Amino acid sequence: GAGVSQSPRYKVAKRGQDVALRCDPISGHVSLFWYQQALGQGPEFLTYFQNEAQLDKSGLPSDRFFAERPEGSVSTLKIQRTQQEDSAVYLCASGVGGSGNTIYFGEGSWLTVV
Amino acid sequence: GQNIDQPTEMTATEGAIVQINCTYQTSGFNGLFWYQQHAGEAPTFLSYNVLDGLEEKGRFSSFLSRSKGYSYLLLKELQMKDSASYLCAVKGAGNMLTFGGGTRLMVKP
Repeated sequence: GAGVSQSPRYKVAKRGQDVALRCDPISGHVSLFWYQQALGQGPEFLTYFQNEAQLDKSGLPSDRFFAERPEGSVSTLKIQRTQQEDSAVYLCASGVGGSGNTIYFGEGSWLTVV
Repeated sequence: GQNIDQPTEMTATEGAIVQINCTYQTSGFNGLFWYQQHAGEAPTFLSYNVLDGLEEKGRFSSFLSRSKGYSYLLLKELQMKDSASYLCAVKGAGNMLTFGGGTRLMVKP
């Protein structure tokens, strides 16, 4: 597609439920990033893929968070046993790779845990 | 580690000029980015600086001083639609961007 596509756009989960958030990057983009953005804050880095390899997962807040990109294209961020503090917008971004190139964001998945 | 600071909020008048500052301390530097984010929408790319100096792009300009760890975004001829959050982000030694908390700009008539 023309841009980064994320689904679902909105998700309400009951505390303890598992959720899966999907990201379709721009076609041909090598780099893929997941960020978490709380209301009124800047995005916080979660994890980074180059093709199918997860090169950095230092930002994942706990072992309840898991991300994969098995074929180097679509990525899924999974959150197990959701907690209220997981409520945030989850942004996916992709880029062509290389140190100077910009990354392009999707509109995010808004997660509310009740 | 990375530390990026920018003002939380600014207010300016339609037609005026506003400068949003950003200071950073990072381990490694591969460029500084500015993004615009309207409420409920994705951040959109505005500018990229990797060398010192001013980059001009229409009504928006961005400046970088690597020795001072400092950048600013200059918005000229402000329009109401410029009301948004402006995010300063640094690409460090790795390939990911580290963002500041964002500056919420309100443009008044």
